[in-house]
Amino acid sequence: EVQLVETGGGLVQPGKSLKLTCATSGFTFSNAWMHWVRQSPEKQLEWVAQIKAKSNNYATYYAESVKGRFTISRDDSKSSVYLQMNSLKEEDTAIYYCTLISYWGQGTLVTVSS
Amino acid sequence: DIQMTQSPPSLSASLGETVSIECRASEDIYSNLAWYQQKSGKSPQLLIYYASSLQDGVPSRFSGSGSGTQYSLKISGMQPEDEGVYYCLQGSKYPLTFGSGTKLEIK
Repeated sequence: EVQLVETGGGLVQPGKSLKLTCATSGFTFSNAWMHWVRQSPEKQLEWVAQIKAKSNNYATYYAESVKGRFTISRDDSKSSVYLQMNSLKEEDTAIYYCTLISYWGQGTLVTVSS
Repeated sequence: DIQMTQSPPSLSASLGETVSIECRASEDIYSNLAWYQQKSGKSPQLLIYYASSLQDGVPSRFSGSGSGTQYSLKISGMQPEDEGVYYCLQGSKYPLTFGSGTKLEIK
């Protein structure tokens, strides 16, 4: 059974940093292309970032809204993907989902507020 | 960026009724389109991929069609468990983009 479990969300002040972790199981993680998608309080879904597999040189892609502030990475030995979020803004407030596109985690809530 | 225009924003259907939801892309996305259902408090669940392929475990009353810039999701015989919000997602070009969602309720 495919499982994706996000952790690391919480309340953070604007300008601060947070790192999300997605622990996975039930599939061959090393071959998988992993994404982060977020859902705003208004329920709009927004793709955030993608990291491809080793065979694709771990290529990464970002939404313009987070480019230069967020970094996606992975550890194939731990079947985990990460999202390092720096210089957080109030508009980054959302539920962050780790996803294979076909399967999604339960999400972790990030609230950016002073 | 490719804009995904989804309609209608909301829909109310009777039990057994057939419903359709549309997504229009701002350019050709070559059938790189997925449909998701999201129930309240849950994460999105994949229904359809590559415009018309049914995800394993999804009831056959769900179907997808379309090509080029126009795509649709059809539910043939509305059931109570089909209530939720439906989203389309294009995967043809970065950044991936979602439609704004269609809220489907039982009448």
